[in-house]
Order: sequence, then C-alpha cells, then structure tokens
Amino acid sequence: RKEVEQDPGPFNVPEGATVAFNCTYSNSASQSFFWYRQDCRKEPKLLMSVYSSGNEDGRFTAQLNRASQYISLLIRDSKLSDSATYLCVVNDYKLSFGAGTTVTVRA
Amino acid sequence: EAGVTQSPTHLIKTRGQQVTLRCSPISGHTSVYWYQQALGLGLQFLLWYDEGEERNRGNFPPRFSGRQFPNYSSELNVNALELEDSALYLCASSNSVGANGNSPLHFGNGTRLTVT
Repeated sequence: RKEVEQDPGPFNVPEGATVAFNCTYSNSASQSFFWYRQDCRKEPKLLMSVYSSGNEDGRFTAQLNRASQYISLLIRDSKLSDSATYLCVVNDYKLSFGAGTTVTVRA
Repeated sequence: EAGVTQSPTHLIKTRGQQVTLRCSPISGHTSVYWYQQALGLGLQFLLWYDEGEERNRGNFPPRFSGRQFPNYSSELNVNALELEDSALYLCASSNSVGANGNSPLHFGNGTRLTVT
C-alpha cells in the first residue's frame, strides 16, 4: 500500500462549482498534513496546512479525519485559476507526497 | 528574501555517468529535502537532511546519495546514471525538524536531468 494515496482525477468542473477530494495515508503516527498546489511544469507551492479541527482559507476548506486516516480539500466557487494538480502531503518523518489530484475548471 | 535555489537548471548526461545537483535553502532553514519527479508522476521522496545529518531516506538505490554542508546547502549525487533517472529533481527547505514539524516546504525550481 502506498504511503499517501489520492484520486488522480481529473475533476472537470464549471466555474462556480464546488469540488472536493480526499487523500488517505497509511502511517497512523503522521503528525502534520498539508495541501500543496502544482501548476504544469512548475514547483509545488503550499496551499494550506491542515489542522485537526479543520480549517478554511477563503474558498478552500481542509479537513482531517485521524480515525479513518484521510484528509480532504474542498474548493468552493471554483475559478479558472484553480486549475492545477493538488498534492496531499503527510509528515511521516519524511514528508510524503501523494501523486496529486488534477482539477480543471472550465468557463 | 531569496528563495530556494538549485543548480544547474538543466543537465544532459549519458548512461553510466555521474551527476551532482546543488541546492541552497532559504536563509535560516536547516532542513533540506530532495524529491524526484519523473514525467507524469508524483514526487518521490529521496533524502532528508537536517543540521548536517541524513535523517531519512526514500526507497532509492545506494547510487543516490547526498550530503548537507555546515551552511545547510546540500548536494545530491547520482552515480552510474540510468535512463530512468531522467526526471525533475526538486529540492525543498524547511525550518522545522522532526516528525512533529509543522513548517511547510519551500521548493526550488528544480533541476531537469535528461539521461541519454
């Protein structure tokens, strides 16, 4: 089993739609979690950290479910500029990345 | 503040050769991580250095090695290059250490290695 698994998508949604996807992790001792965004042929950039109580950053909401070992990301009111690959990152003493979920927002 | 810098940006090598990639972290960051991203694939963890020591290593053969210098810069060495080593090699730095670290990674632009 992979350490971090994500639905690769692609999620193809119209502008203004809500899109959500999950990421599962295998190491129950993992301590911290992040969502990164990677645009085509660019380096990943931090989107947001994920806190135990869940957290929002504008149109983005992240949740953590330790019992089921998954984190989620929800994007509300999608913009064209949200089109990217979203990478789930788990701190299991080496910062493991998922393979990414591709989101395409269409006009 | 300068970001993470990597050199060179592009590199072409032939099979069997050796290569050294370099990374300078953000000032004040003590942790450096190396990842391999082959075309169309996710980031695969290679190595993590902190305070000059190797803290963890991914599932790569021993011909992938590296080190971290006293100024926290780092090198990634790959010996006996194989065609499948062709990839983007990303370096990232962080100012947190250990499994409880909550500090995010800051990535460099990467070195694109092509092995022919």
